[in-house]
Amino acid sequence: EAGVTQFPSHSVIEKGQTVTLRCDPISGHDNLYWYRRVMGKEIKFLLHFVKESKQDESGMPNNRFLAERTGGTYSTLKVQPAELEDSGVYFCASSQDSGATDTQYFGPGTRLTVL
Amino acid sequence: AQSVTQLDSQVPVFEEAPVELRCNYSSSVSVYLFWYVQYPNQGLQLLLKYLSGSTLVKGINGFEAEFNKSQTSFHLRKPSVHISDTAEYFCAVSDRWGSQGNLIFGKGTKLSVKP
Repeated sequence: EAGVTQFPSHSVIEKGQTVTLRCDPISGHDNLYWYRRVMGKEIKFLLHFVKESKQDESGMPNNRFLAERTGGTYSTLKVQPAELEDSGVYFCASSQDSGATDTQYFGPGTRLTVL
Repeated sequence: AQSVTQLDSQVPVFEEAPVELRCNYSSSVSVYLFWYVQYPNQGLQLLLKYLSGSTLVKGINGFEAEFNKSQTSFHLRKPSVHISDTAEYFCAVSDRWGSQGNLIFGKGTKLSVKP
């Protein structure tokens, strides 16, 4: 069974540009989460999809970030325009059921560097 | 707001020695507790989780953790480490009564096992 995959693995862009990150969850997992780790800090929750609906987007830092999950399969996270403080590793995770007990399976992350 | 403190950012240890990675959480409500491990160039992988019941939880790769409610701790232990245990370890909590499954992480502890 394929795990959670993320693309690209690395992205280097200049301030003001746009970047789109993609996450493919484990097949059949309705729940998809985005997290971010800024260097030296904790991994922080960004948002949670249940199928194609945003269940919780309380962690999204501002309106420069747009997440979508059309059709309830893969998800994209777009940053437009990117700022220096957006640099970090963006993780995606998926789980079969929603709920605090269910195991989340993480992808390898996308390392974003904004210059 | 909940928070997770991992007291050691780096732990160097010799092969076959015991190790303890410390984790404390601050919460006045019931939580679920998790330890994840990230090997180089891979996603986070669940080591173990505490949901309820016995306070001693056994996980994969010989790791175990003990939930201590009075001390709000969930320290991770292994009696004898291997070179292959070199990785970054993350403690996380989720709120039983709050958002569905959003994890709150500590800053991580880098375990370095030396021959």
